[in-house]
Amino acid sequence: DAGVIQSPRHEVTEMGQEVTLRCKPISGHNSLFWYRQTMMRGLELLIYFNNNVPIDDSGMPEDRFSAKMPNASFSTLKIQPSEPRDSAVYFCASSRVAGVEYEQYFGPGTRLTVT
Amino acid sequence: DAKTTQPTSMDCAEGRAANLPCNHSTISGNEYVYWYRQIHSQGPQYIIHGLKNNETNEMASLIITEDRKSSTLILPHATLRDTAVYYCTLIIQGAQKLVFGQGTRLTINP
Repeated sequence: DAGVIQSPRHEVTEMGQEVTLRCKPISGHNSLFWYRQTMMRGLELLIYFNNNVPIDDSGMPEDRFSAKMPNASFSTLKIQPSEPRDSAVYFCASSRVAGVEYEQYFGPGTRLTVT
Repeated sequence: DAKTTQPTSMDCAEGRAANLPCNHSTISGNEYVYWYRQIHSQGPQYIIHGLKNNETNEMASLIITEDRKSSTLILPHATLRDTAVYYCTLIIQGAQKLVFGQGTRLTINP
C-alpha cells in the first residue's frame, strides 16, 4: 500500500513568493494533519481535518498560512507571502477515525527553504 | 506545557534490549500513552500505545506502571536501524491532537 504522499520533497523559494505544499493521504483514511518541524520549536501541529472539514486550526501561525482539503484524497498547505522564518520541514499525516484509538501515519515531509 | 518527560538521550548496544522511560505523573484516567519515533530525515512512525495494560506488538513492548504515572518502551533486540528520536505522548480518549515534546534520542552502537 502507498503511504502518505507529499510533494514536492524539497522547495526553495524567495521571500515574498507563494508556496503550495501538497498531500495525498492513505486511501480510506478520513483524518488529515499538517505539522511543521523546526530545530527551535520541534514538531508542531498546524491544522487537522476530519472528513475534509477543518476541525482545529489553532496551530496555524498567521494569516499567511492556509490549508484546504477539497476531497478525501488531496490537501494543500499554502503560504503567501513566504518569509525566511517559514523555513522548516512540513509533514502531512493521515489516520482512520473509527472508535477511540488511532495512530497517525506520516508522509516523508517537504523541506522548505525560504531565502 | 508538555505532560511527559523523557531523558534527552540514551545509548544501547546492538542486540541488547533498549528500555526508554517516560514520566507522565499527571496523566488522566482517559489518557492513552502513545509512542512514536522519528528516524533521521523521515516522518514520525507510530510504534505502540496503551491505556493501562501492558502491550506488545511486532515492534516493541509497552510497560505501564500500575499507577500509570510512568511507562517504559522496550525494543527487545535493538538494531542499528532503531537509532532515532523516540517520542512519548498522551492523548485523551477519542481525541486526535498529538503534542510532541523533545523526545529521547536513542543511539544504537555496534
